[in-house]
Amino acid sequence: GAGVSQSPRYKVTKRGQDVTLRCDPISSHATLYWYQQALGQGPEFLTYFNYEAQPDKSGLPSDRFSAERPEGSISTLTIQRTEQRDSAMYRCASSPDDGTGELFFGEGSRLTVL
Amino acid sequence: AQSVTQLGSHVSVSEGALVLLRCNYSSSVPPYLFWYVQYPNQGLQLLLKYTSAATLVKGINGFEAEFKKSETSFHLTKPSAHMSDAAEYFCAVTRRKTGGFKTIFGAGTRLFVKA
Repeated sequence: GAGVSQSPRYKVTKRGQDVTLRCDPISSHATLYWYQQALGQGPEFLTYFNYEAQPDKSGLPSDRFSAERPEGSISTLTIQRTEQRDSAMYRCASSPDDGTGELFFGEGSRLTVL
Repeated sequence: AQSVTQLGSHVSVSEGALVLLRCNYSSSVPPYLFWYVQYPNQGLQLLLKYTSAATLVKGINGFEAEFKKSETSFHLTKPSAHMSDAAEYFCAVTRRKTGGFKTIFGAGTRLFVKA
């Protein structure tokens, strides 16, 4: 697509429920990143994909968090058994292969866990 | 390890005044440095980037930043603030990894512009 698209924009869920967030990157971009941004903080790295490969998932806070990009385009971030501390903005970004690491961000998905 | 420190979580200036947002970084390898801006209800967008070419980098909307290796700084400036500059600004440092980059962001500085 023309830009990075994330859905849903807002998600309110109850503690213990599973949540899946979706990211559709810019179609020509091989690399896709997920970030978590708490209120008043900068984005914190979660994981990234190069096409369908996931070279680094060191930023995922626990094994309740997982991400996929099965066909090298759209990606999903799933949080199982959500906890209140998971409440945050989840940002997806994609990056072209121009060697600079510039990130193109979507508008984010704001998750609230009650 | 890489890190970014932004001095001041909030900065307030009058319209027409100089904008100065401070950023210091640490990196064990030559860094790529970025400033991103976030307007209300929008995603982050690139303001400018340093990738080891000219040390003075010009970005959009009249912003510029100077890479100073000796001071490990990458401060963002604009000579004359506009009301439309009110936003949150994030400094970031990145390094290449296998198949991509790892970008570390500062905590952000919210800029207020007074009429």
